[in-house]
Amino acid sequence: TQLLEQSPQFLSIQEGENLTVYCNSSSVFSSLQWYRQEPGEGPVLLVTVVTGGEVKKLKRLTFQFGDARKDSSLHITAAQPGDTGLYLCAGAGGSARQLTFGSGTQLTVLP
Amino acid sequence: DSGVTQTPKHLITATGQRVTLRCSPRSGDLSVYWYQQSLDQGLQFLIQYYNGEERAKGNILERFSAQQFPDLHSELNLSSLELGDSALYFCASSVGGADTYEQYFGPGTRLTVT
Repeated sequence: TQLLEQSPQFLSIQEGENLTVYCNSSSVFSSLQWYRQEPGEGPVLLVTVVTGGEVKKLKRLTFQFGDARKDSSLHITAAQPGDTGLYLCAGAGGSARQLTFGSGTQLTVLP
Repeated sequence: DSGVTQTPKHLITATGQRVTLRCSPRSGDLSVYWYQQSLDQGLQFLIQYYNGEERAKGNILERFSAQQFPDLHSELNLSSLELGDSALYFCASSVGGADTYEQYFGPGTRLTVT
């Protein structure tokens, strides 16, 4: 069974701080997607990374795909309360042949 | 707005009952996926349809079934409901059938079984 482990599970920080969340697997994926989900709503796709070592920036969010395509990180600079939500990574193109979601990181940014 | 619509938004029913959840994919998308999200299980893949045909099956119970119609909308049928079936049910859609295609999620249906 392919597993994606995310850490930390919970993160509470003050507005303006930087943070990094991690997504790790023992399996290789051809691409990895990051989603953000707010309470009672569906996950919203933020970015897809497809090349080992790839770095993508989305305003204050920086996503990196590991060289071996087994792990990924999401770094947020100068976090804002609007960044609060559940961040989910999902691996595609693995042996499961279905999108495999991690357990998520619940981020709370306090004003 | 992802372009994926789901109805109803909320559903409250009793144990042993049967319900149907409905999903309309984004315009042009041929694949529909169903997921269950509960507090202790996270987001669990249930089943995928591509252009009317079942494409992949995940952790879907035998009491649950789904179908995709010629107009590409999909329905998820849940029967003999149990308290543990209470969860958020999401539909997602994508252009293609492979899991590498980006998926766009609907707003979900919150099912409460009492």
